[in-house]
Amino acid sequence: EDQVTQSPEALRLQEGESSSLNCSYTVSGLRGLFWYRQDPGKGPEFLFTLYSAGEEKEKERLKATLTKKESFLHITAPKPEDSATYLCAVQGNILTGGGNKLTFGTGTQLKVEL
Amino acid sequence: DGGITQSPKYLFRKEGQNVTLSCEQNLNHDAMYWYRQDPGQGLRLIYYSQIVNDFQKGDIAEGYSVSREKKESFPLTVTSAQKNPTAFYLCASSSTGRYGEKLFFGSGTQLSVL
Repeated sequence: EDQVTQSPEALRLQEGESSSLNCSYTVSGLRGLFWYRQDPGKGPEFLFTLYSAGEEKEKERLKATLTKKESFLHITAPKPEDSATYLCAVQGNILTGGGNKLTFGTGTQLKVEL
Repeated sequence: DGGITQSPKYLFRKEGQNVTLSCEQNLNHDAMYWYRQDPGQGLRLIYYSQIVNDFQKGDIAEGYSVSREKKESFPLTVTSAQKNPTAFYLCASSSTGRYGEKLFFGSGTQLSVL
C-alpha cells in the first residue's frame, strides 16, 4: 500500500526566513509525485509534478526536489501570501483499467508572519 | 474561464436523507474524481470516472453513489448508508486519466449533519 508522510505538521516562519517541507513516501513503482497548495476552504491548486529521483522544479519562491524516498519543498524568502497548507501526493501502481489514483499526505500548514 | 464548479458551497443533511453534490467542468477533460477531506487526514478517493457512463470505486465508496451521463458532469450522492458524512468534498478532473497527469480541483462542498 502506498504511503505518504509529511513533516512538520505545522510551520511558522518570519517573512524572509527560508525553510523546507518534507514528504516521505513508500510506493510500488513511482509514476509521479505531486505538490499542491491549499488555502482554507478552497480546493488544492497544482504546483509541481516530479517523476524521477534527482529531478528539480522551481516556481517563484518554491523549489521541489525528489529522491528515491522523499521530496522536499524549499521555500526561499517566504512572504505572508505563501501561507497555506502544502499537500504532497504520490501515484504508484496503475489501477486495473487505468486511472489516476493519488495517495495524499496530511499536509504541512505553513504560516508566514511579518 | 475554464474550470470546475462545485455546488453548493455548504450543505446540511438530516438523518436518513440522501443529498447530491454537484460537479461541472468545462475543461473538456475525460476523467473526473471525487475526494473526501477530513481534518488531520489526507484526501481519500471515493469514486472516479474515465469516460461517460463508466465509473470505478475508490478507497471509500461505501455509502456513496455517482453517475456520469455527460462528459462535463459527475454528481455525487451521499446516501443515508453513509453514517459519518461530515467532511469537505472535493471534485477534480484530469485530461485523460492516465498516470502522471495533474488534477484540477473545484472549490469544494462542506457537508454537515443536522
